[in-house]
Amino acid sequence: AQTVTQSQPEMSVQEAETVTLSCTYDTSENNYYLFWYKQPPSRQMILVIRQEAYKQQNATENRFSVNFQKAAKSFSLKISDSQLGDTAMYFCAFMKHGVRGAGSYQLTFGKGTKLSVIP
Amino acid sequence: GAGVSQTPSNKVTEKGKYVELRCDPISGHTALYWYRQSLGQGPEFLIYFQGTGAADDSGLPNDRFFAVRPEGSVSTLKIQRTERGDSAVYLCASSLTSTYPTDTQYFGPGTRLTVL
Repeated sequence: AQTVTQSQPEMSVQEAETVTLSCTYDTSENNYYLFWYKQPPSRQMILVIRQEAYKQQNATENRFSVNFQKAAKSFSLKISDSQLGDTAMYFCAFMKHGVRGAGSYQLTFGKGTKLSVIP
Repeated sequence: GAGVSQTPSNKVTEKGKYVELRCDPISGHTALYWYRQSLGQGPEFLIYFQGTGAADDSGLPNDRFFAVRPEGSVSTLKIQRTERGDSAVYLCASSLTSTYPTDTQYFGPGTRLTVL
């Protein structure tokens, strides 16, 4: 079974500054995907960024980038130029490669990090 | 286009009652997932549908929980004899397919279930 650990329950950052959220995971799989989802108070989970484990290059999406260290099983999210709208819960998630069988396709989430952006 | 919608947004029921939660996926999405999010936790997988069939129901906690997707679109999560421990937000997600690269899951706003 896979586990995802987010060791920072809460973090805060000044507007326009940079913040990094940590995530580690444990798996015996070699092919998998990693995700960061954002959940604002409205409850709707929004995909922030996705990383395929076979890709060495770190994924980036505008102000969001990841530091993926496969050997260390680490997948941190960096938010640059933080904005007030970034205030939300952030969840790291793992998904096995889509091979048929129990456990495939389901996302395994960490407990989340509550990020507050301070004006 | 419209995203994933879930109804009702909030449901309050009494212990022992039966409830149904509905999920309307994004049009054309063949894969549908249900998750449960307890207070202060990340979502936990319940069941996954590919088309009309439940491809993986390994996350359902017990036989009081059941889900259907009879026409391969709308899905209903059914909970019998509700217990206070069932109180949580129930999230639905859909994806275009279940294979890369169109397997990104898009979530609905959830149904908050409160069992008194």
